[in-house]
Amino acid sequence: DVVVTQSPLSLSVAPGESASISCRSSQSLLHSDGHNYLDWYLQKPGQSPQVLMYLASSRASGVPDRFSGSGSGTDFTLKISRVEAEDVGVYYCMQALQTPNTFGGGTKIEIK
Amino acid sequence: EVQLVQSGAEVKEPGESLKISCKTSGYSFTNYWIGWVRQMPGKGLEWMGIFYPGDSDTRYSPSFQGQVTMSADNSISTAYLQWSSLKASDTAIYYCARRRIEVAGKRYLYYGMDVWGRGTLVTVSS
Repeated sequence: DVVVTQSPLSLSVAPGESASISCRSSQSLLHSDGHNYLDWYLQKPGQSPQVLMYLASSRASGVPDRFSGSGSGTDFTLKISRVEAEDVGVYYCMQALQTPNTFGGGTKIEIK
Repeated sequence: EVQLVQSGAEVKEPGESLKISCKTSGYSFTNYWIGWVRQMPGKGLEWMGIFYPGDSDTRYSPSFQGQVTMSADNSISTAYLQWSSLKASDTAIYYCARRRIEVAGKRYLYYGMDVWGRGTLVTVSS
């Protein structure tokens, strides 16, 4: 299975500051179609997960442009610029290139 | 509007069987994969597998192969996850989600797991 490792485990961010989460995979997630099959999900407290980014850098419908994804191969980053109170929760990356798909362990973001 | 409505919470004893459901609406059920994700108490997300209602193609994670069965009733646009003999370690929230892939000519466009159910809490305790 592809192992996906996230860091840090948690972040405390003041409103208006930026935050970055790293996601590394044990194998390249670059498909022959040129896309990296890496998703980002946010699980807000008490809610179901929701997709933020797919194919590493494509923002899902309705996701604010404060969220951006980057990276290729095995190293990926989710950046949140101008963090807001509504951004609290646990962020997960997930590789979708190979089955079984695999999630990272999650990064919890709190507001200072 | 695409919706996935999951069945209600269940409390079962070890050894019992269970089938939980994920009723979909707002899209063509047989044209999209349905994924199942487990979340044990206080833990992260675990990908269990995916099921394609169009031809019943199923891909299980090795961690769940033989432990659960995914299925669907296309006549009512509903996906199922079932256990034949529950264990206490099956206590968790189980989410279903649509894995969105669109076909555009010869290309497949992937959009992630774009719509999720609210989850079904399964508690297994004697």
